[in-house]
Amino acid sequence: DVKVTQSSRYLVKRTGEKVFLECVQDMDHENMFWYRQDPGLGLRLIYFSYDVKMKEKGDIPEGYSVSREKKERFSLILESASTNQTSMYLCASSLSPYSTGMLQPQHFGDGTRLSIL
Amino acid sequence: QKEVEQNSGPLSVPEGAIASLNCTYSDRGSQSFFWYRQYSGKSPELIMFIYSNGDKEDGRFTAQLNKASQYVSLLIRDSQPSDSATYLCAVINGGSQGNLIFGKGTKLSVKP
Repeated sequence: DVKVTQSSRYLVKRTGEKVFLECVQDMDHENMFWYRQDPGLGLRLIYFSYDVKMKEKGDIPEGYSVSREKKERFSLILESASTNQTSMYLCASSLSPYSTGMLQPQHFGDGTRLSIL
Repeated sequence: QKEVEQNSGPLSVPEGAIASLNCTYSDRGSQSFFWYRQYSGKSPELIMFIYSNGDKEDGRFTAQLNKASQYVSLLIRDSQPSDSATYLCAVINGGSQGNLIFGKGTKLSVKP
């Protein structure tokens, strides 16, 4: 089974803090993704990565950055946390279609519920 | 703007009935379609995927795809209270290596 592990289930931080959310997958997936999910807005893509050292902006990258130094790990960074970044953050991973010949589903971690006070 | 549309619900069905969840998508180039189940406070869990027109069955679940109508559906037979959750339809963003476009989900409630 695919295992995507997010470092914290619940996290409380203060405005202005630099916040790190970590995600690790154990299935050698090339693709990794960070989403946030808010009531009524659904899942929104923040950043994604198709390979080590590679990153691309998603739909709502403002206020966030990412790091992918190793294939299995994808970190989301809130540079200076603000209250409007209080949300559920979800990490996902998938195999590249180039390794399988088919577009593959994403598998999600358990999520981190982040509160910014 | 590529979109995936779902009725937000709630869709309420009695235990043992068939629940029918529907989804339309705007990108005619979409090739891969997924259904995720999300329990309250939990993360999405993949339950079905379908790539070809027609039906695909897995246990009590059947996914149906009609590319001409840009329509995908999920049928849940013999619905159980444990099926009560939000069901997310997702479509691969055409031209990407696996980015998904998600609908906002349909909330299903199965009454005992």
